[in-house]
Amino acid sequence: QLQLQESGPGLVKPSETLSLTCTVSGGSISSSSYYWGWIRQPPGKGLEWIGSIYYSGSTYYNPSLKSRVTISVDTSKNQFSLKLSSVTAADTAVYYCARDQIVVRWFDPWGQGTLVTVSS
Amino acid sequence: DIQMTQSPSSLSASVGDRVTITCRASQSISSYLNWYQQKPGKAPKLLIYAASSLQSGVPSRFSGSGSGTDFTLTISSLQPEDFATYYCQQSYSTQFTFGPGTKVDIK
Repeated sequence: QLQLQESGPGLVKPSETLSLTCTVSGGSISSSSYYWGWIRQPPGKGLEWIGSIYYSGSTYYNPSLKSRVTISVDTSKNQFSLKLSSVTAADTAVYYCARDQIVVRWFDPWGQGTLVTVSS
Repeated sequence: DIQMTQSPSSLSASVGDRVTITCRASQSISSYLNWYQQKPGKAPKLLIYAASSLQSGVPSRFSGSGSGTDFTLTISSLQPEDFATYYCQQSYSTQFTFGPGTKVDIK
């Protein structure tokens, strides 16, 4: 059964870079049928797609975050990563990683999520 | 980008009720519409993809319909474990967007 697990610091200072890693187990990140995505959810609010990456390194980003986001993949470790630069309090959220199906583009399964707080 | 709206934003219902949630896109998205269920403190779970296809393992009381700009998620007989927030997501554009959510709670 495919599982995803987010990891990274739970507290980031304003203006610094948020870095998270998603480890995929129970399946290969190099599958030709899937992208791998990041989605976030500010406390008490809705879901916002951040971006997705293919195992080859091809990426799609949310235009509203594109200037600050980098998503990368490490197929040797079965991991993909998120970097969000110049963070502010508005970037405080639960960050989820999820498998992104290549045709219809649904997200399933999701990791459990990790809360990242931006505060000095 | 494509904007998604949902109605109602919240509803109260009883066990056994038939519940319908509506999702509307700002432009035609064909059938590129997915539905998720999220319980408090948990990750979203895919229920329906491509507007009307039931994800494996999801109870048959959940169904989806619609195409173009208007879509519905129906729960035929609400069960205690169905009290949650439901989100739609368009995947017509690769700039994916979610609806604001519909919270279903106990009457």
